[in-house]
Amino acid sequence: GDSVTQMEGPVTLSEEAFLTINCTYTATGYPSLFWYVQYPGEGLQLLLKATKADDKGSNKGFEATYRKETTSFHLEKGSVQVSDSAVYFCALSDQAGGYNKLIFGAGTRLAVHP
Amino acid sequence: DSGVTQTPKHLITATGQRVTLRCSPRSGDLSVYWYQQSLDQGLQFLIQYYNGEERAKGNILERFSAQQFPDLHSELNLSSLELGDSALYFCASSATIHTGELFFGEGSRLTVL
Repeated sequence: GDSVTQMEGPVTLSEEAFLTINCTYTATGYPSLFWYVQYPGEGLQLLLKATKADDKGSNKGFEATYRKETTSFHLEKGSVQVSDSAVYFCALSDQAGGYNKLIFGAGTRLAVHP
Repeated sequence: DSGVTQTPKHLITATGQRVTLRCSPRSGDLSVYWYQQSLDQGLQFLIQYYNGEERAKGNILERFSAQQFPDLHSELNLSSLELGDSALYFCASSATIHTGELFFGEGSRLTVL
């Protein structure tokens, strides 16, 4: 079945460092891809999405490009802030049966220090 | 604030007991999803409803059941609870069934002792 694999955390960075969180997927068909973020004590929030190959999703300085040839959707940010400390989830939409459900990766915890 | 409301926020109970978790979706959203988040299993899809009807089922145990009511709120019933059922249970909603853009509640943390 469809699946998502993320790099293991935690990722620990200093403020203003460059961030990359790797995500690869396995899917039949052409899923949409998502990054969700979970801040401490909160539910998940959609960060960005891409619906087809070569699309780039971006939001709040984060970017990810849908790479069909490498089945990847890596999350990047040029300069992280302490407020970016959270758990980041890569996800794909499973459209089997015509109904969408999201399949999530295990999550990657990011800790940013001043 | 996502607009999705879950109650209770915290629940502590004993093995063998039964609990009900409640979810009110965002205003206007017809689709409701339930997810379980545990340390060892990550975020697991349990079940999805659309406008009162079950649409997709994931790794939901037979001891668990759910329903969506005519006013679109949903309940997740967990029975014969085991220690391993301790987890954070999230409800999410979306406007349609054809989107991966979900709005999550803050979760209900269940502790089974």
